[in-house]
Amino acid sequence: DTAVSQTPKYLVTQMGNDKSIKCEQNLGHDTMYWYKQDSKKFLKIMFSYNNKELIINETVPNRFSPKSPDKAHLNLHINSLELGDSAVYFCASSHKRGTLGYTFGSGTRLTVV
Amino acid sequence: TQLLEQSPQFLSIQEGENLTVYCNSSSVFSSLQWYRQEPGEGPVLLVTVVTGGEVKKLKRLTFQFGDARKDSSLHITAAQPGDTGLYLCAGAPDSWGKLQFGAGTQVVVTP
Repeated sequence: DTAVSQTPKYLVTQMGNDKSIKCEQNLGHDTMYWYKQDSKKFLKIMFSYNNKELIINETVPNRFSPKSPDKAHLNLHINSLELGDSAVYFCASSHKRGTLGYTFGSGTRLTVV
Repeated sequence: TQLLEQSPQFLSIQEGENLTVYCNSSSVFSSLQWYRQEPGEGPVLLVTVVTGGEVKKLKRLTFQFGDARKDSSLHITAAQPGDTGLYLCAGAPDSWGKLQFGAGTQVVVTP
């Protein structure tokens, strides 16, 4: 199936731990994104990569570090997790600037306890 | 700063009724996208409108882009329980890749 796949689906961890979320797309898209959805369902962009190059880096704590080994993969590593990091994180991809639409993964629900 | 204002925030209707969701902004967008999100899943793209005044129809869903490309509406005719979900509008400004989302409209259609 052509899709955006992210793992894990659920992640429960203690404060202070370091964790990673992986994302892969087989749609042939050249741009990938990380979005954070808060408890009120608001989606906010965090990062965007185009052909492995970082092009958007919103105001995100530097505990969050994206890595794109190739244009089909975009991983998110989070250091020293805090309670406020609990949210659903979505990976997405698009052609170029995404003017015609994004394809989203099914999300990773991160709970920090 | 939220560029896109969606209204209403919540809509509960009976099967067979019509509904309209609005998405407004003071900014001009190169395109306006509508997504539907169901619990535990990511948003799924329903439609993209790119031309001011454009109207697109997807079965019982009608999408309109304002003439000035600042606002949009989604109208559902004869809603069905399967239309239940969180409807999100998203605007693509001219700058690279910064798709901005509205806060969403939760639609519940009861049989």
